[in-house]
Amino acid sequence: DQQVKQNSPSLSVQEGRISILNCDYTNSMFDYFLWYKKYPAEGPTFLISISSIKDKNEDGRFTVFLNKSAKHLSLHIVPSQPGDSAVYFCAASESGNTGKLIFGQGTTLQVKP
Amino acid sequence: NAGVTQTPKFRVLKTGQSMTLLCAQDMNHEYMYWYRQDPGMGLRLIHYSVGEGTTAKGEVPDGYNVSRLKKQNFLLGLESAAPSQTSVYFCASSYATGSQMRRYGYTFGSGTRLTVV
Repeated sequence: DQQVKQNSPSLSVQEGRISILNCDYTNSMFDYFLWYKKYPAEGPTFLISISSIKDKNEDGRFTVFLNKSAKHLSLHIVPSQPGDSAVYFCAASESGNTGKLIFGQGTTLQVKP
Repeated sequence: NAGVTQTPKFRVLKTGQSMTLLCAQDMNHEYMYWYRQDPGMGLRLIHYSVGEGTTAKGEVPDGYNVSRLKKQNFLLGLESAAPSQTSVYFCASSYATGSQMRRYGYTFGSGTRLTVV
């Protein structure tokens, strides 16, 4: 029973265009959502987060949108660069102090020059 | 560089053997976690710790034990390795308070690739 789902295993976009990565969740008690980026043979690195009381958070080329009614969030990368090619994980945190994150399966993004 | 260090980076075990994976962090983080990554499954939480001397089970704890005797170290043990434990293991650490953790996320190590034959 996967509480956080990334239904697209892979995505390919042209350099300079927009990349949109999607994530769905089932637990309405999640209060924070995070995106991580992972290169081969490295650990995931934190990219951007959003609180459940917000609907948008922006950091440079990266914007995360949250639609609570649809239990859906997306990560937009504009413009996409070849260095953005990596696996992107969506993660969700329940309220409380355990700090536990529930991760999605990941989406592999390829940005073609 | 400050961060999370995992040792070893690679290991091949025979079924039934035991081993310990070591995770060390130098950021004075309270919380530490062990995840495993498998194809198509994402990252799944094995065990975690909210402070020195405390541990708790995550989503997939069976076959693993952990210890947090010192704040900076979190050990993951496999008592009797099985082929189903072939995976990439990631350790992570984070700040104690929920809002700081949620805003800044975890810091991950570079992983241990374990193969059980």
